[in-house]
Amino acid sequence: GIQVEQSPPDLILQEGANSTLRCNFSDSVNNLQWFHQNPWGQLINLFYIPSGTKQNGRLSATTVATERYSLLYISSSQTTDSGVYFCAVFSGGSNYKLTFGKGTLLTVNP
Amino acid sequence: DADVTQTPRNRITKTGKRIMLECSQTKGHDRMYWYRQDPGLGLRLIYYSFDVKDINKGEISDGYSVSRQAQAKFSLSLESAIPNQTALYFCATSDNSPVTEAFFGQGTRLTVV
Repeated sequence: GIQVEQSPPDLILQEGANSTLRCNFSDSVNNLQWFHQNPWGQLINLFYIPSGTKQNGRLSATTVATERYSLLYISSSQTTDSGVYFCAVFSGGSNYKLTFGKGTLLTVNP
Repeated sequence: DADVTQTPRNRITKTGKRIMLECSQTKGHDRMYWYRQDPGLGLRLIYYSFDVKDINKGEISDGYSVSRQAQAKFSLSLESAIPNQTALYFCATSDNSPVTEAFFGQGTRLTVV
């Protein structure tokens, strides 16, 4: 099956810093999503982005499907950005299902 | 109200007990999924269902069973719970579009003692 790799596995920032999280995938995909898991365990949809660039406030994402990677940018980080960020891809043609990477644990210190 | 609702939110059960986790959705989606999350391993697919009559095993289905009672309901059962099934469980839904988006429930934190 498809492999989804995220980097870095851990990231520690000072409040106000910018960061880039990367997601590589091993095969073509129907779609790609970024999630934020908050300290209570809830998965929050950030972006669904099969290709191109999207922005939502301080967050933006870019997927280059032909090169099989996606990037999540966080600017002017805040302590509330802390948590685990997951990339997940839909693949498998008509039998598509969602495969997750192992996540990036982001800690933003005040 | 949440579009994807899981019950219970937290559960502690004993080894050997049967337990059912329930999921219901109001999004009108045909496809539903059960995932398990363990620390450091991300989310792994247990079972998925493309419609009421179609159920498929995911990568870690051993020790689990599912039932799709209706388009809106998909339950996960542990017939005889064991401690290494302690995890955070998520239900998700998506539509049939090739470029679809998945929506997740709030999660069920299960502890088997």
